[in-house]
Amino acid sequence: DAKTTQPTSMDCAEGRAANLPCNHSTISGNEYVYWYRQIHSQGPQYIIHGLKNNETNEMASLIITEDRKSSTLILPHATLRDTAVYYCIVRVGVFGNEKLTFGTGTRLTIIP
Amino acid sequence: EAGVTQFPSHSVIEKGQTVTLRCDPISGHDNLYWYRRVMGKEIKFLLHFVKESKQDESGMPNNRFLAERTGGTYSTLKVQPAELEDSGVYFCASSQVWGRPDGYTFGSGTRLTVV
Repeated sequence: DAKTTQPTSMDCAEGRAANLPCNHSTISGNEYVYWYRQIHSQGPQYIIHGLKNNETNEMASLIITEDRKSSTLILPHATLRDTAVYYCIVRVGVFGNEKLTFGTGTRLTIIP
Repeated sequence: EAGVTQFPSHSVIEKGQTVTLRCDPISGHDNLYWYRRVMGKEIKFLLHFVKESKQDESGMPNNRFLAERTGGTYSTLKVQPAELEDSGVYFCASSQVWGRPDGYTFGSGTRLTVV
């Protein structure tokens, strides 16, 4: 799976949009971009994934650049409960390598 | 819909003892995964079941670890004998259909402490 690079930490004011960047310059054509988060000592929580097109669900939006070498996770109205470590993961999603390779992620802190 | 359930939530055992962790995936989910985070390191993949078959066990650290999924429902992960370096949090996850790029649902984990 392609390697990802994320900032170590970020702060965001409560109520503002949190934009978390991820670089995956070696991504292959059949690899998806996934975002998970881990809130304190809970299990990782799936947020969203995408292949080429931008995606939106009830939790977040995922913007993938046209060359697919980077992406941004957007939490539109951050709340204190969004404080967590966010992981950007690239993997083949269809009968391929099913492993999720967790890096160190971005520690997002929402400031009241 | 019930989530992924792991039992126990915490376990403290002495070095050399045996511990068995259990995971109940979401009903109907064919895929079951085990991951762990040890000593503040990154979360690492252990193995993947498709129904009752081991699809990928490349992450299992050594032969002291044995995972089973009899009947393709719940899974157990046995550590025998436990060593100090096995301390950490063990997560189980499940997804519905093999080959679909779905996200995984993780359980809350079992915190294992070996003393």
